[in-house]
Amino acid sequence: GESVGLHLPTLSVQEGDNSIINCAYSNSASDYFIWYKQESGKGPQFIIDIRSNMDKRQGQRVTVLLNKTVKHLSLQIAATQPGDSAVYFCAETKFYNQGGKLIFGQGTELSVKP
Amino acid sequence: DADVTQTPRNRITKTGKRIMLECSQTKGHDRMYWYRQDPGLGLRLIYYSFDVKDINKGEISDGYSVSRQAQAKFSLSLESAIPNQTALYFCATSESDRYNEQFFGPGTRLTVL
Repeated sequence: GESVGLHLPTLSVQEGDNSIINCAYSNSASDYFIWYKQESGKGPQFIIDIRSNMDKRQGQRVTVLLNKTVKHLSLQIAATQPGDSAVYFCAETKFYNQGGKLIFGQGTELSVKP
Repeated sequence: DADVTQTPRNRITKTGKRIMLECSQTKGHDRMYWYRQDPGLGLRLIYYSFDVKDINKGEISDGYSVSRQAQAKFSLSLESAIPNQTALYFCATSESDRYNEQFFGPGTRLTVL
């Protein structure tokens, strides 16, 4: 069945260091892969997405890498700040049926130490 | 003011009671979604609506129903609440051609005793 999962449930990094959050997916038919950030007590917030025909996409302080050969997705956060502390979810979707539904992974909790 | 609001924010109820969770949005988006979040399980889609006349079941719709009263309002009902429906519920919206970027409300924490 379809599933999106994360390698590590928790990640602790020092402020200023780079963070890498990983995600494994099983559905090769997905068209987009997306990262969301959820701060404590809030709803998830969109960070960045990448189309399945791309390998890399950069945003503001974030980079998403997609390796279709091993079905692996990663989110890199440069110069991690205390405000980056949150749970990060990867998700996937397909175009079918007028646009896809999101399938979320379990999440990785990022903790930034000052 | 928040773009996506949910009421109530917290609710404790008893088994067998009917519960309605409400969601309102001021973003003007056609698409609205209801998700459930359980610890360690991420978010799972309950129902979604592409517009007022188009409502679809998600992966875990059993035990739930929805109503899209207007473009801006999408409510979720539990007809007869049971304890395993205790969870955090989120409403979200998106543009029709930008469904990857969903805007989530603050969530409703529901406890069924």
